Amino acid sequence: ETGVTQSPTHLIKTRGQQVTLRCSSQSGHNTVSWYQQALGQGPQFIFQYYREEENGRGNFPPRFSGLQFPNYSSELNVNALELDDSALYLCASSSAVAEQYFGPGTRLTVT
Amino acid sequence: QKEVEQDPGPLSVPEGAIVSLNCTYSNSAFQYFMWYRQYSRKGPELLMYTYSSGNKEDGRFTAQVDKSSKYISLFIRDSQPSDSATYLCAMSATYRSARQLTFGSGTQLTVLP
Repeated sequence: ETGVTQSPTHLIKTRGQQVTLRCSSQSGHNTVSWYQQALGQGPQFIFQYYREEENGRGNFPPRFSGLQFPNYSSELNVNALELDDSALYLCASSSAVAEQYFGPGTRLTVT
Repeated sequence: QKEVEQDPGPLSVPEGAIVSLNCTYSNSAFQYFMWYRQYSRKGPELLMYTYSSGNKEDGRFTAQVDKSSKYISLFIRDSQPSDSATYLCAMSATYRSARQLTFGSGTQLTVLP
């Protein structure tokens, strides 16, 4: 297992609500990336944080936002939830090399 | 057209078989190539990581990269029922970029005892 942890494990929200997902990176890693994985698909890059700054963003609207804290943990916030936001949200941490190590994910269901 | 194409399967093989999993890609900027294994309802687990073209072996797993053909492969020898999972290829551009990974859609593998 990697040292990347995510909370909560599962979450059910109603359309229009807001949600915050959390991630603790592996020890020694200063970069956190967030991905969205729809059922039957590969993960899609949302954004990446390096030393508390956003360092790249995928094709996701501004209602997806994030934070990275001084201890390199991170949050993903999604506002105005839509049904299509139902997915597995994955956090990955990395250091100065390209490999990214994923956490177990948070499964979000929007009804 | 997707940047990374991967045959979704499903692929079913008998225990002990050699498994070949493949991805093609269109972005010539990709230099880092990874294979992840994902069990149902779990996060992806990094299996193999290669830089540029060539082969890399780790136990029963061999990763091949052919940049001239924009084609990567993962071979699993002596496959076991515990290898049953979804296999995802992933790629990244240059080191100084955001290290964004672009994934294939995954191949679902079942190894039958």
